[in-house]
Amino acid sequence: EVQLVESGGGLVQPGRSLKLSCAASGFTFSNYYMAWVRQAPTKGLEWVASITNSGGSTYYRDSVKGRFTISRDNAKSTLYLQMDSLRSEDTATYYCTRGGHWGQGTLVTVSS
Amino acid sequence: DVVMTQTPPSLSVAIGQSVSISCKSSQSLVYSDGKTYLHWLLQSPGRSPKRLIYQVSNLGSGVPDRFSGTGSQKDFTLKISRVEAEDLGVYYCAQTTHFPNTFGAGTKLELK
Repeated sequence: EVQLVESGGGLVQPGRSLKLSCAASGFTFSNYYMAWVRQAPTKGLEWVASITNSGGSTYYRDSVKGRFTISRDNAKSTLYLQMDSLRSEDTATYYCTRGGHWGQGTLVTVSS
Repeated sequence: DVVMTQTPPSLSVAIGQSVSISCKSSQSLVYSDGKTYLHWLLQSPGRSPKRLIYQVSNLGSGVPDRFSGTGSQKDFTLKISRVEAEDLGVYYCAQTTHFPNTFGAGTKLELK
């Protein structure tokens, strides 16, 4: 059974950093393209970033380019999202996704 | 960015009724490989999104055949035949043909 378990969320002040992790199991992680999608409170879904199966290519939405970094460790079957220079508008639940599979999400709150 | 326009924004239905949700994109969603990366997701209350249909018309694993997807190019429809209580929630269309990947604003399906 495919499982994606996010961690690392929490309350952080504007301008600070946070690193999210997504532990994957139940499939060969290195074979799959992965992504982060977020959902602000009471809002819709918003794609954040994607990474190819090897990690050789990454893609970001404009509003996080230069501040967020998606990466992966295929040996550990883990996806990451390093978030720097956080802003209040980054407040959201962050989901790790692989095609049709989604994790339970981790809440990031950016507030002073 | 590709704009995904979903209608209606909400639907009130009786159990056993059939409903359709429309999703129109601002650009063709046909990728260079000839495939169309248009998907439908359901987010039940308090839950993570779940993919129902991928690439326009392919049913996700474990998804009942009451759900069906049709469409091409820029115009897509999700049909739910014989709505059941477990179908309630917010439906999203999503495109992964182009970067940034984008989502519709959602259609909230409620019980009449």
